[in-house]
Amino acid sequence: GAGVSQSPRYKVAKRGQDVALRCDPISGHVSLFWYQQALGQGPEFLTYFQNEAQLDKSGLPSDRFFAERPEGSVSTLKIQRTQQEDSAVYLCASSLRGGYTFGSGTRLTVV
Amino acid sequence: GNSVTQMEGPVTLSEEAFLTINCTYTATGYPSLFWYVQYPGEGLQLLLKATKADDKGSNKGFEATYRKETTSFHLEKGSVQVSDSAVYFCALSGPDSWGKLQFGAGTQVVVTP
Repeated sequence: GAGVSQSPRYKVAKRGQDVALRCDPISGHVSLFWYQQALGQGPEFLTYFQNEAQLDKSGLPSDRFFAERPEGSVSTLKIQRTQQEDSAVYLCASSLRGGYTFGSGTRLTVV
Repeated sequence: GNSVTQMEGPVTLSEEAFLTINCTYTATGYPSLFWYVQYPGEGLQLLLKATKADDKGSNKGFEATYRKETTSFHLEKGSVQVSDSAVYFCALSGPDSWGKLQFGAGTQVVVTP
């Protein structure tokens, strides 16, 4: 597609619920990144994929967070047993040879 | 580790005023430096970048110069417009980090007519 598409745009989850956030990168983009942006803060790196390989997951805050990109295209960020501190905007970005394109993000609110 | 510090906002200006947003960084090696902009309700967009010392990035009237001696990358615009109202993020990418970005906290800029 023309841009990076993320869905859903908004998600309200009850504490303890599992959520899955989807990212459709630009076709052909090898690199895919996930970031977490808390209110009033800059984005914080979560994880990085090169094709289907997850090369860096050092930013995932706990083992409740899991990301996959099984066919090297669409990626899913899953958060298990959501907690209030998980409330944030989750941004996906894809890149080809260093040129980043960000999606509009998924705003997750845990109540 | 790497870090980025930028001035806190909000910064409120009148139209046609001069804008400066300070950004300093800490990094090992020679990072690439970026300014991203986030307009209300939209995603992050790259505004400009510089990849080596003394490089000047420029776009849409904005400029920033990579100063290694002061580890700074201040953003400037000579005459702002109401449409420049947004949140501006300074960011860096280390030479060995395959493009992973380290962002500052962001500076909100409000331009009034």
